[in-house]
Amino acid sequence: DQQVKQNSPSLSVQEGRISILNCDYTNSMFDYFLWYKKYPAEGPTFLISISSIKDKNEDGRFTVFLNKSAKHLSLHIVPSQPGDSAVYFCAASVYGGATNKLIFGTGTLLAVQP
Amino acid sequence: KAGVTQTPRYLIKTRGQQVTLSCSPISGHRSVSWYQQTPGQGLQFLFEYFSETQRNKGNFPGRFSGRQFSNSRSEMNVSTLELGDSALYLCASSPDRGAYGYTFGSGTRLTVV
Repeated sequence: DQQVKQNSPSLSVQEGRISILNCDYTNSMFDYFLWYKKYPAEGPTFLISISSIKDKNEDGRFTVFLNKSAKHLSLHIVPSQPGDSAVYFCAASVYGGATNKLIFGTGTLLAVQP
Repeated sequence: KAGVTQTPRYLIKTRGQQVTLSCSPISGHRSVSWYQQTPGQGLQFLFEYFSETQRNKGNFPGRFSGRQFSNSRSEMNVSTLELGDSALYLCASSPDRGAYGYTFGSGTRLTVV
């Protein structure tokens, strides 16, 4: 049972345009969401997170939106740069819970074309 | 500040063998978690250790085990390797329990032939 889903395996955008990566979840207990970026042969690196008490969080070119009623979150990258080309994973957890367990989606490969 | 170190980076094993992977967390981090990444499956949670105790375990067979030492370093072991165990195994450390502050290592690429 895939509790966190990224339905787009890949996405291609032009440099300078907006990249929108989507993620859906099924478990209403999740209250903390994260996005990670992963280059080949490297471990995932943390990008941005959001708790369920918010519906938006910004950090520079990256913005995460959370729609709790739809159990949907999205990552916006504006403007997109070639160096953003990587696999992006969304992940969910129960914040402050007695566990460090993150549930990850299957990832979206973003290709930013120069 | 050194990051999360995983050794070895690459490993080739034969079916039926066993393997031990090592993870040294960031200094001061007390929690270590392990994940398996395979194509199309994303990252699957294996287990979490905190203060030398396994706190949580994912849905993997008993062939997958781990431990944590008093210096927070962790090892995971896979016995009786199967072809399907070929994957990237990632270790993540964090200062304490809770899903924030995770830092991943670069992983160990295990190939079972």
